[in-house]
Amino acid sequence: GQQVQQSPASLVLQEGENAELQCNFSTSLNSMQWFYQRPGGSLVSLFYNPSGTKHSGRLTSTTVIKERRSSLHISSSQTTDSGTYLCALERNNRIFFGDGTQLVVKP
Amino acid sequence: GPKVLQIPSHQIIDMGQMVTLNCDPVSNHLYFYWYKQILGQQMEFLVNFYNGKVMEKSKLFKDQFSVERPDGSYFTLKIQPTALEDSAVYFCASSSSASQNTLYFGAGTRLSVL
Repeated sequence: GQQVQQSPASLVLQEGENAELQCNFSTSLNSMQWFYQRPGGSLVSLFYNPSGTKHSGRLTSTTVIKERRSSLHISSSQTTDSGTYLCALERNNRIFFGDGTQLVVKP
Repeated sequence: GPKVLQIPSHQIIDMGQMVTLNCDPVSNHLYFYWYKQILGQQMEFLVNFYNGKVMEKSKLFKDQFSVERPDGSYFTLKIQPTALEDSAVYFCASSSSASQNTLYFGAGTRLSVL
């Protein structure tokens, strides 16, 4: 079964709105990571966040290992934020990806 | 930041031919991965590689697939012979250890099998 569940599957925002993306894990994990996949396909690592809260510009990631969940908050969204956001968990030398959240930010 | 380079960015070949995808991982990294992503679908794990050996491979890693990193050069994924269903984007990744470390991805190689 799917070890990483992401929600929502897709999200449409007006520029300036905030977004909250969720990632839930069905198994224990060693660490987790958030990626941004550009429309062309290339991947950018946003956060390596095994636990706690991390900030990077308009992005905030919070991971609660005991509850097997992680969230990615995007504040004041911009059109350039459009793309797919993937979370991935690492467990026993394997990396498992979620299906991703497809974000569209309209001007 | 550290970069993983993949060469070529796009490869078009005829079904049945051999193809080699090349990955230049981050210089001090020890763990290497290949992932496959069919257009519009989830990224799927293929194989991980450490110390010259395959550590684990998935069901997607068919007998026609092989990986190696001869003498610390490129980490390669070879498909021989290719099939139509091999058309996908193949992502290479590396990390300095399997746990508690950030995974760095290349930009991917788009393979089109005709």
